[in-house]
This record gives sequence, structure tokens and C-alpha cells, in this order.
Amino acid sequence: EDQVTQSPEALRLQEGESSSLNCSYTVSGLRGLFWYRQDPGKGPEFLFTLYSAGEEKEKERLKATLTKKESFLHITAPKPEDSATYLCAVQATGGYNKLIFGAGTRLAVHP
Amino acid sequence: NAGVMQNPRHLVRRRGQEARLRCSPMKGHSHVYWYRQLPEEGLKFMVYLQKENIIDESGMPKERFSAEFPKEGPSILRIQQVVRGDSAAYFCASSGTGSGSTYEQYFGPGTRLTVT
Repeated sequence: EDQVTQSPEALRLQEGESSSLNCSYTVSGLRGLFWYRQDPGKGPEFLFTLYSAGEEKEKERLKATLTKKESFLHITAPKPEDSATYLCAVQATGGYNKLIFGAGTRLAVHP
Repeated sequence: NAGVMQNPRHLVRRRGQEARLRCSPMKGHSHVYWYRQLPEEGLKFMVYLQKENIIDESGMPKERFSAEFPKEGPSILRIQQVVRGDSAAYFCASSGTGSGSTYEQYFGPGTRLTVT
């Protein structure tokens, strides 16, 4: 069964303290791995898509990497406005286009 | 606003009533997806539609729930005879066609359904 596990469930950082969020996945065949950011009361906001092991993408203070079993979202020198829930999802080949989401990591960045 | 639009944003229904949730996809997108987020749970896929076709409804409850995406107008998620367990945030997403970046799904702001 296709599955996504994110860790940690919650993470508290001081402003400027870099860290990484983990997304482990089990999927029959990976079409793509997606990262989203979700603020309270809002819909998920698209961040990155990764398609193959070794791929990396960056956006401001965020960098996403992908291996054959997991993805990392690295946050460099975070700011309070980076506080949100970060969601990881996979899309399997042969599974039409549905996204299978992990439970998310709640990130709180304190000044 | 070229983003995914959903309405209403908040919907309150009494047990046994019907709920209708609407979604207009992003401009140029022809694929629509519905997801449900129960309190303290992750997003769960419900159904995937293209114009006038249901492609994958593997996540849709077998009873009381239905979805459509007509040739004209928004996609509709319909919940008949709502129960308290249907209280959740319902998100619509849309994507383009083909390969590569067109697999990316963009989400709307959601409809928060409360059943009293």
C-alpha cells in the first residue's frame, strides 16, 4: 500500500536556526513527490515537485531533496513567517493523479 | 483571480440536510480533484474528475456522496443527509493535462462544513 510518513510531527525553532523536515514514502512507482505549505484556515500552497532521485529544488530559504526512499525539506535561517504546516505528498504511476499525503510537520519559528 | 475558487467558504448544515460545495478550477485547467481534511487528520483524496467524466472515485464514501464536473459551470461535491462525522474542510484542487509540471495540483481555499 502506498504510504507517506512525515517527521517530526512538530518542530520548534529559534529564528535563524536551520533544520530539516523528513518525508519517507513507500510507493509502487513514483511519478512525483510534492511539498506544500499550509497556513491555518487556508488551502495548501504548492512549493516543489521532485521527480527523480538526486533531484533538488530551491526557493528562498527552502530546499527540497529526493532519494529513492525519502525527501528532505531543508529550512535555512528560518524566519517567523516560515511558521506553517508543511505537507509532503506522493503521486504514484498507475494511480491516476491522486495525491497521497503525509500527516504534515507543524513548524513554529520564534523570534 | 486566476486561482482555484471554492464557495461557500463556510457552510453550516443540520443533520439530514444536503450540502453542495462548488469549485471552479484555475484558468486553463481541466482536471479537478476533491480532498477532505478531517479535524487533526491529514488530507485524504476523494475523487478525480475531468469535464463530464469521473476518472477515479476510489476515495469517495459509497453512500451519500457524489461529485460532478459538467461541461459548463463549476464542479460540485454533493453530500446528502449530512451527519456530524461529515464536518471537515473540503478542498478542491486543479491541474493541467499532459506530463511534467502539469501534474502539479493547485488548491483552493477550502469549504469548511459544520454539521450541527
